[in-house]
Amino acid sequence: DIVLTQSPALAVSLEQRATISCKTSQNVDNYGISYMHWYQQKPGQQPKLLIYEGSNLASGIPARFSGSGSGTDFTLTIDPVEADDIATYYCQQSKDYPRTFGGGTKLELK
Amino acid sequence: QVKLQQSGAELVKPGASVKLSCKTSGYTFSTSYMSWFKQIPGQSIEWIGMIYAGDGGTGYNQKFKGKATLTVDTSSSTAYMDLSSLTTEDSAVYFCARCPPSLGAPFDYWGQGVMVTVSS
Repeated sequence: DIVLTQSPALAVSLEQRATISCKTSQNVDNYGISYMHWYQQKPGQQPKLLIYEGSNLASGIPARFSGSGSGTDFTLTIDPVEADDIATYYCQQSKDYPRTFGGGTKLELK
Repeated sequence: QVKLQQSGAELVKPGASVKLSCKTSGYTFSTSYMSWFKQIPGQSIEWIGMIYAGDGGTGYNQKFKGKATLTVDTSSSTAYMDLSSLTTEDSAVYFCARCPPSLGAPFDYWGQGVMVTVSS
């Protein structure tokens, strides 16, 4: 299985930039596409797709969210952070089966 | 708009089975995949498996083979997951999520989740 590793938590101030990383145990690129996606999950809610294929903004997601990276190293950036962004963020790969998620990064306020 | 509506919370006894439902609307059910996930509160998300609504073809995470069985009813645009021989380790929130039929597609719409509690 492809293992995705995220830092457990990140403390940021409002209106600052948050950078969340995700490292994979295997390359998740194929045919020039990064099969890496990012989700936001708030307590008691379902995950919400933010970024797909590494850097594409999902429908209805604000432009302060962006994704980058390739191969085995990926980043989700939130700039600037707003109060509504306090949540847990998960990366997920769809290069291989089983589909796997990172452990999640909990975004907290400083 | 796309909606996935899951059934209500379940309290079941060890050794029993439970069938969870995920009723969809707002898209062509038979042309997408439906995946199911397990999330123990405070922990990450595990992919259980998927089913192609068009022909009922399935794929499972090896970890959940024998535990979960996925089916669909195309007449009602509803996906189901049967969980069998339940133990306390199966207590979790279970989600369904749609996946478009393209290579490596993400899970773009999710149900609200259902809490399953296994307790005597």
